[in-house]
Amino acid sequence: DAKTTQPPSMDCAEGRAANLPCNHSTISGNEYVYWYRQIHSQGPQYIIHGLKNNETNEMASLIITEDRKSSTLILPHATLRDTAVYYCIVRPPHFGGATNKLIFGTGTLLAVQP
Amino acid sequence: GAVVSQHPSWVICKSGTSVKIECRSLDFQATTMFWYRQFPKQSLMLMATSNEGSKATYEQGVEKDKFLINHASLTLSTLTVTSAHPEDSSFYICSAGLPGGGETQYFGPGTRLLVL
Repeated sequence: DAKTTQPPSMDCAEGRAANLPCNHSTISGNEYVYWYRQIHSQGPQYIIHGLKNNETNEMASLIITEDRKSSTLILPHATLRDTAVYYCIVRPPHFGGATNKLIFGTGTLLAVQP
Repeated sequence: GAVVSQHPSWVICKSGTSVKIECRSLDFQATTMFWYRQFPKQSLMLMATSNEGSKATYEQGVEKDKFLINHASLTLSTLTVTSAHPEDSSFYICSAGLPGGGETQYFGPGTRLLVL
């Protein structure tokens, strides 16, 4: 799986958009970009994923650059409850079984400030 | 949505004893589950892939005789930490995906193990 690079920490003001970058310059053509987050002392939670098009769901938006070497997760209106470690993960398509495993990097600790 | 539970949520044990942690998929069947370990201020480290009805697949460096995994049914995987020592104290998390792939892995809430 391709390696990802994320800043170790970021701050964001409550109510403002949080933009979390991820670099994945060695991504392969069939690899997806996934984002998970982990609130302190809890299991990780799926946020969003994409291949090359921008994606949006009720939690966040994912912007993938045209060359797919980097992406940005956007939380449009951050709240205190969004304080967590955010993990960007790149992996090939999964078809069930062991192909579903996730390899976590170090992630970005997002601290939403009141 | 799919829910994964773990039991217990925390456990304290004496050094040398064995501890069993359960991971259950509550509303779906999971032929494969994954076990992770997380030390304080570190990321999740994949320990093993639990396969229903067959042997688990362990990641490099993980002792299979120390971390026994059993996946006897489509909704339950267990991780037993045998002869636990203080260095095994950690946060253990399991995950499962919907059959046939699907978009996401669903994670349990984690089990915090403290070995005295």
